[in-house]
Amino acid sequence: EPEVTQTPSHQVTQMGQEVILRCVPISNHLYFYWYRQILGQKVEFLVSFYNNEISEKSEIFDDQFSVERPDGSNFTLKIRSTKLEDSAMYFCASNNVGGYTFGSGTRLTVV
Amino acid sequence: DQQVKQNSPSLSVQEGRISILNCDYTNSMFDYFLWYKKYPAEGPTFLISISSIKDKNEDGRFTVFLNKSAKHLSLHIVPSQPGDSAVYFCAARTFGGATNKLIFGTGTLLAVQP
Repeated sequence: EPEVTQTPSHQVTQMGQEVILRCVPISNHLYFYWYRQILGQKVEFLVSFYNNEISEKSEIFDDQFSVERPDGSNFTLKIRSTKLEDSAMYFCASNNVGGYTFGSGTRLTVV
Repeated sequence: DQQVKQNSPSLSVQEGRISILNCDYTNSMFDYFLWYKKYPAEGPTFLISISSIKDKNEDGRFTVFLNKSAKHLSLHIVPSQPGDSAVYFCAARTFGGATNKLIFGTGTLLAVQP
């Protein structure tokens, strides 16, 4: 069964550093997403990406965040200058008609 | 912005009995609802979904019921097994445009006791 692959599984970074979280969505999917889950809280929408551009972003997705699909297979989330409150599980997802498939997540710890 | 709510943070059920997880929503534009199961440090795993034009969908031990007039859906698991112990999230979607994002509820931790 096709999978969404995320790397790394765990990233520890110093506050103020840039991080790039990587995802390989399912190849024939058209919509790509990033979600995050702060420990003990719900899964929150960050951004959706369709037709090579951001189609919607949440209030959380401020100027410190950016996404790219540089080569038709990878889908990346960059946080420019990490803050302590960015510590969370970050999930990539992709979708075509109907089904949404999530990756296993990257645990980001900002220290 | 609590468009999707799961009012029970936890539920404990005996093995073999029925588990009923509930979800309420406020946005009448939602057209598709999904249930996900999640273990700690893993991504959500799709369980079952239902379109807003239906009131029931069944897949093995899992059945989802949708009551549009009450803006309520529920997931029934029969019979419950210890391996079902996890956090269950309901999610809803508004179709159309270039997003199709999912809005998640807060989750219910299900514990199935052997």
